Amino acid sequence: DTEVTQTPKHLVMGMTNKKSLKCEQHMGHRAMYWYKQKAKKPPELMFVYSYEKLSINESVPSRFSPECPNSSLLNLHLHALQPEDSALYLCASSQDNRDETQYFGPGTRLLVL
Amino acid sequence: SQKIEQNSEALNIQEGKTATLTCNYTNYSPAYLQWYRQDPGRGPVFLLLIRENEKEKRKERLKVTFDTTLKQSLFHITASQPADSATYLCALNSGGYQKVTFGTGTKLQVIP
Repeated sequence: DTEVTQTPKHLVMGMTNKKSLKCEQHMGHRAMYWYKQKAKKPPELMFVYSYEKLSINESVPSRFSPECPNSSLLNLHLHALQPEDSALYLCASSQDNRDETQYFGPGTRLLVL
Repeated sequence: SQKIEQNSEALNIQEGKTATLTCNYTNYSPAYLQWYRQDPGRGPVFLLLIRENEKEKRKERLKVTFDTTLKQSLFHITASQPADSATYLCALNSGGYQKVTFGTGTKLQVIP
């Protein structure tokens, strides 16, 4: 199984809402990533978890809160977002053994009103 | 400042020809460089990884070269097909092994 799944596919939320994005992989990968991608731009790294510990936070605003409950799951909790946070949010995973091939999910399309 | 630039925002080629995409970087010393394909509304799909001590890698119709002196990678698709039409992204590790920064991307259109 080489699939990374993400739910929901689409999400519309108001600036006062709290929502969560979910990501799951069953490849036994020990590193998981969150990226943000705006239209016609490349993905930008937000967070990296390695062995369920947060290893990289790219100075992301605190309205984005990541969580890694176990090695297969990654969440991104959203609170008090701004319209400029509207984007495609991509989850990825990799082996974390210096073979850094990343497997991406299909993404969650987020619209903040 | 650090930059990863892919020379063409868009590239149109005739079916059957070889597509050559360029990735140039400044102020990075990557241990590896990767190429991904991304279709509209989908996540990137890994194609090839080349390490700093490798000059060339091949996989079926794909070839990647890596010149750390020129700070450049070339990505070739031979015998291109309309199904190869997509955006191609280069990516390199930009601080530690897991921190990956993507290039600006090249949208390839293969014309039948």
